[in-house]
Amino acid sequence: AQSVAQPEDQVNVAEGNPLTVKCTYSVSGNPYLFWYVQYPNRGLQFLLKYITGDNLVKGSYGFEAEFNKSQTSFHLKKPSALVSDSALYFCAAPFGTYKYIFGTGTRLKVLA
Amino acid sequence: DTAVSQTPKYLVTQMGNDKSIKCEQNLGHDTMYWYKQDSKKFLKIMFSYNNKELIINETVPNRFSPKSPDKAHLNLHINSLELGDSAVYFCASSQEGNYGYTFGSGTRLTVV
Repeated sequence: AQSVAQPEDQVNVAEGNPLTVKCTYSVSGNPYLFWYVQYPNRGLQFLLKYITGDNLVKGSYGFEAEFNKSQTSFHLKKPSALVSDSALYFCAAPFGTYKYIFGTGTRLKVLA
Repeated sequence: DTAVSQTPKYLVTQMGNDKSIKCEQNLGHDTMYWYKQDSKKFLKIMFSYNNKELIINETVPNRFSPKSPDKAHLNLHINSLELGDSAVYFCASSQEGNYGYTFGSGTRLTVV
């Protein structure tokens, strides 16, 4: 069965330190993978996507993600975390044309 | 201009009532969706519509009836509301073939 997993419910990181939010996938064929961010009381906002090409994808707000086919992972990264990055992050993959499967979400807390 | 707008933002109602949530997108997208986010922040698809046609009904109780009068609108009507319907409901849209979603800001439904 196709799935997207986020193994960590919460990630804490000090401001200025690098951050990583993990995502692993199990999808058939060539995967399309996405990251979304949800700020409190807001809808999800698109951060970045991997379709094909370079394994390192750059997105909004200084985030990037690394696609690793051998490890079936698509971890979200940022070199230097900001307090304003604190939010809920979702990894997602399309399941067919008209449906996404989302990971369970990882709450990122950046400590001042 | 808000790309995907939902109304109302908050909805508090008693068990047994019938309520509707409206969604409109001005992006010219072909496909619209309803997702439910529960108290643990899990996101689960409920319905997807492509050009006003129902494509996915993800085993949602038939108390939930989506209606798409045109491809820019997808409304959700809920009959006989139950306590377990309390959640945040997100509308989203995408252009077919481009799997990125644009989400609305959500409707927080509380059934008392």
